[in-house]
This record gives sequence, structure tokens and C-alpha cells, in this order.
Amino acid sequence: DSGVTQTPKHLITATGQRVTLRCSPRSGDLSVYWYQQSLDQGLQFLIQYYNGEERAKGNILERFSAQQFPDLHSELNLSSLELGDSALYFCASSIEGQGLEQYFGPGTRLTVT
Amino acid sequence: DAKTTQPPSMDCAEGRAANLPCNHSTISGNEYVYWYRQIHSQGPQYIIHGLKNNETNEMASLIITEDRKSSTLILPHATLRDTAVYYCIVRSQSSGSARQLTFGSGTQLTVLP
Repeated sequence: DSGVTQTPKHLITATGQRVTLRCSPRSGDLSVYWYQQSLDQGLQFLIQYYNGEERAKGNILERFSAQQFPDLHSELNLSSLELGDSALYFCASSIEGQGLEQYFGPGTRLTVT
Repeated sequence: DAKTTQPPSMDCAEGRAANLPCNHSTISGNEYVYWYRQIHSQGPQYIIHGLKNNETNEMASLIITEDRKSSTLILPHATLRDTAVYYCIVRSQSSGSARQLTFGSGTQLTVLP
């Protein structure tokens, strides 16, 4: 158990819909990272927050957004969902902003039908 | 960050040492070697990291060649639960460097009974 929690574990929704994935980092960790893992793309970095502020951005679509709240939990919002958004979404946390040792949650499996 | 090359797959007998190689011939002086693993569909797990000296922790040992162009992750007594994809990642720890982890294809290690 990494100490990072993610909810929900599974999510099934239809195209065009909007969903919110939630992540609680390990106690004391200030940074949260979001990754997407699809069958054909492998693990891809989406975005990082550090102590409430956006720190780094990867190949995150404009339809996706995230935020980190004062209690340090984070939410990833996915809108106008497409079939290709079906994937595992992982959240990771680290104590510092450099992301050197990241601890991953169990992931949320999103299926868009 | 330097690019890494790993064999796509390896087998290992249960109870024997698993030696997973990684080539990183373009590594620069301030870049560390990190190893993560991902058991099927679970979140990646941090294993170990090092700069130039060999490192050991409760999970594994990391051997880095003197020229730092390659490294080997050693699982001393592999068990069936070590079956996973192992990722070798080279990362700088400087403050201006990218903060995300860039996962390649990794090595699928299968531990055989």
C-alpha cells in the first residue's frame, strides 16, 4: 500500500459525458501527479500540482483539467469524453516538487462506451 | 533526460536472482538512474535509485557501471510476486529539470515456478 488513494476504482460512462477522478496523496506529500495509461500509449504524464499550484504540464488535452485543493487532495476532470479516453488514470505523490520518488495510487479504470 | 534501452522480456526461475539490464549510454553527470515496476494494472512502484555508487535496499540492488552507461537491477531471490514490468528511468535532480517520470516500454519479467 503506497498510501495514495484514488476514487473511484472503476468508472463506466458514455461519450460526451464529464467525470471527476479524485486522488488523496500520502500524508505529508505536497506534489500530486496525474498519469494516463492506455493500451497503445503506455504511461503518459498529464499534469503536476505542487502545494496547490500547477507545476508542470504534459500531453494533457484541453478537455481535461485538474486542481489541487488546500487539503492537498487533487481532482482530474475529464469532459466531452471520447472512446479513446478509456484508460487507467494514475495519481502519484511525492514529498517535494522534483518528483524524484513518486508513490502511485491504485488507479481509476475509466471505460467510455 | 537520457534515453534508456531495456530488453522487452526476461524469464527467471523462482528463488533465483533476477538481473535486469538497462543501457543509458547518453546519461549525463547529474542524472540519476531510477527503477520502478508495475505489476499488472496496478500503480507503478518505486524500487531504487542511484547516481554512481551501487545501492541496496530491502527490495533490490542497483549496480551502475563505472562509466555509468549501463546499470543492472538485481532482485536477489525472485518470487512469483515479482512478475511485473520493470522500468529503468534516467532523471536529473536539478531544479530546472522535468518533473514527470518518462516511462519507456520496460522489461516484462516473468518469474517461473
